[in-house]
Amino acid sequence: AQTVTQSQPEMSVQEAETVTLSCTYDTSESDYYLFWYKQPPSRQMILVIRQEAYKQQNATENRFSVNFQKAAKSFSLKISDSQLGDAAMYFCAYRRGTYKYIFGTGTRLKVLA
Amino acid sequence: DTGVSQDPRHKITKRGQNVTFRCDPISEHNRLYWYRQTLGQGPEFLTYFQNEAQLEKSRLLSDRFSAERPKGSFSTLEIQRTEQGDSAMYLCASSSSKETEQYFGPGTRLTVT
Repeated sequence: AQTVTQSQPEMSVQEAETVTLSCTYDTSESDYYLFWYKQPPSRQMILVIRQEAYKQQNATENRFSVNFQKAAKSFSLKISDSQLGDAAMYFCAYRRGTYKYIFGTGTRLKVLA
Repeated sequence: DTGVSQDPRHKITKRGQNVTFRCDPISEHNRLYWYRQTLGQGPEFLTYFQNEAQLEKSRLLSDRFSAERPKGSFSTLEIQRTEQGDSAMYLCASSSSKETEQYFGPGTRLTVT
């Protein structure tokens, strides 16, 4: 069965610093998608970044980048130049097939001024 | 289009009562998902619709849960004979077949007393 593990329940980062959130997953498939979603307090979940497993190049979206290690089944999120607005729950997710999404338990990120 | 909407945002009900939630997806999206999220956990997949067809239903969904998507537009999730363990946030998301991103609604928070 596919699983997604986020081993850091909570992380803190100083404003303007860099933080890395960890995610590992388990799958026997070779083609899949991985995602990081952000859920701000009392607000809707939004997509931060996605990675297609067949692409070796790590995805980047402005201050957000991933370190995708397919063999190790690791998919970490790096947030550079952290801002107060980055404070949220971050969920790692795996998409199996065309529609089945499996989410991790989340990491709460606190940004310290 | 203002995104995925859900109604109501909050629902308090007594154990044993029936409740119904509504989700209005982004208009051109043919895929619709329901998730349940409890405190400290990531979203758990409940069910998936492609147009009006319910293609998958999680084993998490007991017979007390039913979902519909008439005419492939809005969807409803009904819980009959609610139990305290049903207390959670119920999230709806939609997407199109052409993209991998899911767009989430704000959720309906259910409290069963």
